[in-house]
Amino acid sequence: DVQLVQSGAEVKKPGESLKISCKGSGYSFSTYWIGWVRQMPGKGLEWMGIIYPGDSDTRYSPSFQGQVTISADKSINTTYLQWSSLEASDIAIYYCARRVGIRYFDDWGQGTPVTVSS
Amino acid sequence: QSALTQPASVSGSPGQSITVSCTGTSSDVGGYNYVSWYQQHPGKAPKLMIYDVSNRPSGVSNRFSASKSGNTASLTISGLQAEDEADYYCSSYSSRSTHVFGTGTKVTVL
Repeated sequence: DVQLVQSGAEVKKPGESLKISCKGSGYSFSTYWIGWVRQMPGKGLEWMGIIYPGDSDTRYSPSFQGQVTISADKSINTTYLQWSSLEASDIAIYYCARRVGIRYFDDWGQGTPVTVSS
Repeated sequence: QSALTQPASVSGSPGQSITVSCTGTSSDVGGYNYVSWYQQHPGKAPKLMIYDVSNRPSGVSNRFSASKSGNTASLTISGLQAEDEADYYCSSYSSRSTHVFGTGTKVTVL
């Protein structure tokens, strides 16, 4: 079975850096794009960006370009979402999801809640 | 890249049918047959319900159907059941390997 397992909840202070992860199993990890999605408290889904682990080709939503960095390590079937300096506005649950072709996201991680508080 | 527009809420009684609309532009919904729909229950990850405009993944009830006309896609839930109460999001491919989600619709079973 396809599984995407994300790292656990994080509590950070403003200005701190953070890197969360999404580990895939049960399929050929390098050959499917993995997307990242933000859900702020009580709000909808926002598409952040996507990476192809095979060659680390990455695309970002204009809203998130320069705000976060998406990376991958195909040797350990893991993709990452990172911030260099967190802000209170980064409080959200972050999901990773596997993309099929260019069409849709069929399997999702369980989500990583991120809290930013002084 | 603006979010696709969905009604904030839709409600119906058990057994009824409801339809959720999703309006985009010719750069996303209207330009590609790659509209998908996701169901999200509180505290849970989204679940794929429809892909490629009108296809259901294995295991999704045939009470869920969907279509597209021009820049607007629609999700219909027939024979509404209590378990269908959730948030629903549409999504579309939007060129250069990017995607956009809808604003989300809360479906309430009265």
